Formats: sequence, C-alpha cells, structure tokens
Amino acid sequence: DAKTTQPNSMESNEEEPVHLPCNHSTISGTDYIHWYRQLPSQGPEYVIHGLTSNVNNRMASLAIAEDRKSSTLILHRATLRDAAVYYCILRDPRRARQLTFGSGTQLTVLP
Amino acid sequence: DSGVTQTPKHLITATGQRVTLRCSPRSGDLSVYWYQQSLDQGLQFLIQYYNGEERAKGNILERFSAQQFPDLHSELNLSSLELGDSALYFCASSVAPLAGGQNEQFFGPGTRLTVL
Repeated sequence: DAKTTQPNSMESNEEEPVHLPCNHSTISGTDYIHWYRQLPSQGPEYVIHGLTSNVNNRMASLAIAEDRKSSTLILHRATLRDAAVYYCILRDPRRARQLTFGSGTQLTVLP
Repeated sequence: DSGVTQTPKHLITATGQRVTLRCSPRSGDLSVYWYQQSLDQGLQFLIQYYNGEERAKGNILERFSAQQFPDLHSELNLSSLELGDSALYFCASSVAPLAGGQNEQFFGPGTRLTVL
C-alpha cells in the first residue's frame, strides 16, 4: 500500500473545528482514502472514507485535494470524546485486504 | 459497541505457554482479521479469514496460528510464548474481504496479553 504522512500530534479546543491533515503523494488512481481512530483503551473505529469527492457523514467530513495527494479529516466541533489517535490509510482494492496502520496523529482536545 | 466480541479481556501467562484468543464477528460478517498492537510495532496485521478459509497473511509468527469455524467465530492460538508477545490483540470483521476498497472493518475491544 502507498505511504501516508501525518503529524505526530495536534491539539484543539473543545467545540472548535479540527482539521487533521494527511499527505499521500504516491497514491494510485485506485486507492481509497480511509480514516480510522482509536480512542484510549479501545479498538480502532472506522470514521470515513472516500475516493475522489469530498465526503460527509455523521462523524466527520473528508476533504480530498484535487490531485488526491493529500486529504484532510474535519471534525466540525471537537468534543473531549474525540481525543484519540487518528489514522489515515490508503486501500487498494486490487491488492492487500488488510488495513496497514501507520503511527497516526494523536489528537488532544482541551476543555 | 462495534458488535465484535473478544474473550478474554485480559490474559496473563508465563513464557513457553500456549493461549487461545477468541473472536465473534458482527452478525452477518464473513471476514475476520487479527491484528497485534505493541508499543514498539504499532498496529500490525496478522491474518485474515473469509468464510472459513485463510485469505491473507501478514506478519504472523510460525508459533501463531488461527482458524475460523463454521459458525464464523475465530480463534488465534499463540504458542511457545515469549516476553515480546505481550501486546493487545484485536479482532476485526467486515462483510466481505474489503472488496472494492470500501468495506469498513469493525474492531473488537481487544485482548490484552501479558507474558511474564
């Protein structure tokens, strides 16, 4: 799978929007962009995924650059419960079936 | 609650021993994945089963084995345990084997294994 680069850590204030960046300059045309998060002492949890267009769901929004070499996960109003490690993962449907996790971004939400 | 269950929650054992970790996937999910999370290696894929058959293998040691039973639950067997096997072991399930790159995986709460 192509490699992703994320900042090690970010901080946000409660009830403010958070923009978590991910660079994936070697993304292939068939790679899907997935985001998962892992809350403390829990298993990873699916957040959102997309291919080319921006995506919204009840948890977050995913903004994908026009050249697809970067993407941003947007939490519209951070809560203390959103403090977690966020993983940006590329998935090639033609190849590996598993998720390949990098080191992710540790998001700290300040009250 | 993801719908994936794992037992036991915690397991403490000694070096050289053998343990079995159990996973029940979400109702209707045919694919089961096992991951290991340690402090130095992060989250690493071990093995995947789909409807009873092994589908993909990752960084799984020869001392480890897994199977998926007809009722779709899965077991991960770890033998000749070493101190370095201490980790969190997660099971995940999905409807299909991530066909199309879209299907999400649902993770269980994990089993924390401590080898003394």
